[in-house]
Amino acid sequence: GQQVMQIPQYQHVQEGEDFTTYCNSSTTLSNIQWYKQRPGGHPVFLIQLVKSGEVKKQKRLTFQFGEAKKNSSLHITATQTTDVGTYFCAGLAGTYKYIFGTGTRLKVLA
Amino acid sequence: DSGVTQTPKHLITATGQRVTLRCSPRSGDLSVYWYQQSLDQGLQFLIQYYNGEERAKGNILERFSAQQFPDLHSELNLSSLELGDSALYFCASSESGVNTGELFFGEGSRLTVL
Repeated sequence: GQQVMQIPQYQHVQEGEDFTTYCNSSTTLSNIQWYKQRPGGHPVFLIQLVKSGEVKKQKRLTFQFGEAKKNSSLHITATQTTDVGTYFCAGLAGTYKYIFGTGTRLKVLA
Repeated sequence: DSGVTQTPKHLITATGQRVTLRCSPRSGDLSVYWYQQSLDQGLQFLIQYYNGEERAKGNILERFSAQQFPDLHSELNLSSLELGDSALYFCASSESGVNTGELFFGEGSRLTVL
């Protein structure tokens, strides 16, 4: 079946360092979404990318969708302690099914 | 507050038992999704309903079943429970059935099977 993998699985950074997580799908995606789950919380929507090669920015967060629509990345510039959590990508497989990636757990050391 | 309500928040039961998890979607949302998150793991898609009809199925065990009622709330039934079924079960809702928008997640139901 379709798989969506994320790397790295874990990342510890010093506050102020940059962070990137990569998302790779075994199949072409219609679109991709990114979610953040704080420790003990539920996933919260961050953004959706639809077009091939699309780049979107939200303050310190930059999201990219690959040209082949099979991969995506999330880059955080100058991490803060509030960025702690697990970041998931979710790829739309076909019309109805969002498949979540394995997630990257980010820890930010003050 | 996402507007998605899940009950119960916590549930402890024994192997072999049956439980029902309930989800009320955001007002106006027609689609409901169920996901399973085991300890420190990703989100496994179980099943999706749109306006009462099953739309997509993921890795849902035969011991599990779900339905969406006319008032759009949904229930996930887990039977013949095993230790490995212990997990956080999330319900999410979205406006449409064509998946062009974000998913709004509830706070989850944590199931512990002893």
